[in-house]
Amino acid sequence: NAGVTQTPKFRVLKTGQSMTLLCAQDMNHEYMYWYRQDPGMGLRLIHYSVGEGTTAKGEVPDGYNVSRLKKQNFLLGLESAAPSQTSVYFCASSVLAGGQETQYFGPGTRLLVL
Amino acid sequence: AQSVTQLDSQVPVFEEAPVELRCNYSSSVSVYLFWYVQYPNQGLQLLLKYLSGSTLVKGINGFEAEFNKSQTSFHLRKPSVHISDTAEYFCAVKRDSSYKLIFGSGTRLLVRP
Repeated sequence: NAGVTQTPKFRVLKTGQSMTLLCAQDMNHEYMYWYRQDPGMGLRLIHYSVGEGTTAKGEVPDGYNVSRLKKQNFLLGLESAAPSQTSVYFCASSVLAGGQETQYFGPGTRLLVL
Repeated sequence: AQSVTQLDSQVPVFEEAPVELRCNYSSSVSVYLFWYVQYPNQGLQLLLKYLSGSTLVKGINGFEAEFNKSQTSFHLRKPSVHISDTAEYFCAVKRDSSYKLIFGSGTRLLVRP
């Protein structure tokens, strides 16, 4: 089991460029999440998905889009990158077990927008 | 709205000393509480969680936490730290009826020899 994997590990973009971050999990989890981590702010939820074909907005969704076409994959897109989107992005997945789910995190993608 | 407060942004401590990392939350409903650890350049790893039952929860690497409902706290403790415990520690809370984890801002534990 690889758990939760993220691609790429690091990326540099120019303002206005677009890119897609890929998250994959092999644990057959229903729920997947995208967070961003900024210094002094902990992790903030961008978007999440409770199943294949469904997505929902989190705490800070502006400037991002997501898709969950396959259960094992959750894609995060930046259509027009801005310097404010420089951050470390974490994907997580979980399986609901009576509401007591544990989220399992990927290793992160470090994004720098110039 | 729920929130999680980790008052200490950094906690320096000498090796083999005890440590307590503080976490307070605000919620008027039942919650589940978690502590995650992030080692340098890595993702988050679950240390321990409180779901119900005994208020003292034991986790990995010798850490434990105590749930105090009256003080809405979930402080993390270790009686004797190692250099390898140097990391950032995040407290998080989840409402029973919600999918979402709300994280605190993190506490950096710096263990010195």
